[in-house]
Amino acid sequence: GENVEQHPSTLSVQEGDSAVIKCTYSDSASNYFPWYKQELGKGPQLIIDIRSNVGEKKDQRIAVTLNKTAKHFSLHITETQPEDSAVYFCAASEGTSGTYKYIFGTGTRLKVLA
Amino acid sequence: NAGVTQTPKFQVLKTGQSMTLQCAQDMNHNSMYWYRQDPGMGLRLIYYSASEGTTDKGEVPNGYNVSRLNKREFSLRLESAAPSQTSVYFCASSVQGGGNSPLHFGNGTRLTVT
Repeated sequence: GENVEQHPSTLSVQEGDSAVIKCTYSDSASNYFPWYKQELGKGPQLIIDIRSNVGEKKDQRIAVTLNKTAKHFSLHITETQPEDSAVYFCAASEGTSGTYKYIFGTGTRLKVLA
Repeated sequence: NAGVTQTPKFQVLKTGQSMTLQCAQDMNHNSMYWYRQDPGMGLRLIYYSASEGTTDKGEVPNGYNVSRLNKREFSLRLESAAPSQTSVYFCASSVQGGGNSPLHFGNGTRLTVT
């Protein structure tokens, strides 16, 4: 089955700097890659996603890139702000048609230092 | 719209006790899921329901049972709680399964088994 590895596990950046979180996946048939942000005491919330027919997607300060050949995808946050501090999870869909599973990475705790 | 609502928010059980975690969504989603979140392990799928009337095992189903009561509600039951089931439990829903539509999460139930 699918395996997703996420790095780094913790990341500290100065306010205004960029942050990059990387994930690799194992199943070449995976075709949907969402990113979630989890704030303390809350459930994960979708912030951006990308499908396998697209190489890059942007939404204001957030972007995701996908390299299907290398089987990795990354989250980029520019001009970081204190409110970006949270735990971020990547996920990949299981590639078999008819399955309903997402496999999650182990999370990255991002701290934005003021 | 409340989204995904989970009850209770917190629970402490003694080993061997039973309980049911409740989940309801008001987004008319077809698919619903139960995940557990443990430190350093990301989110792991316990059970899911692709549509009303169907349920299937995820990665870590042992010790749990589920019921898809109707399209809105999906409950998770621990018949005989064990300390290894101490975790944060998240319910999620999606428009459809197949790993192509984003998950919407509730805010979790924090369960401690002593």
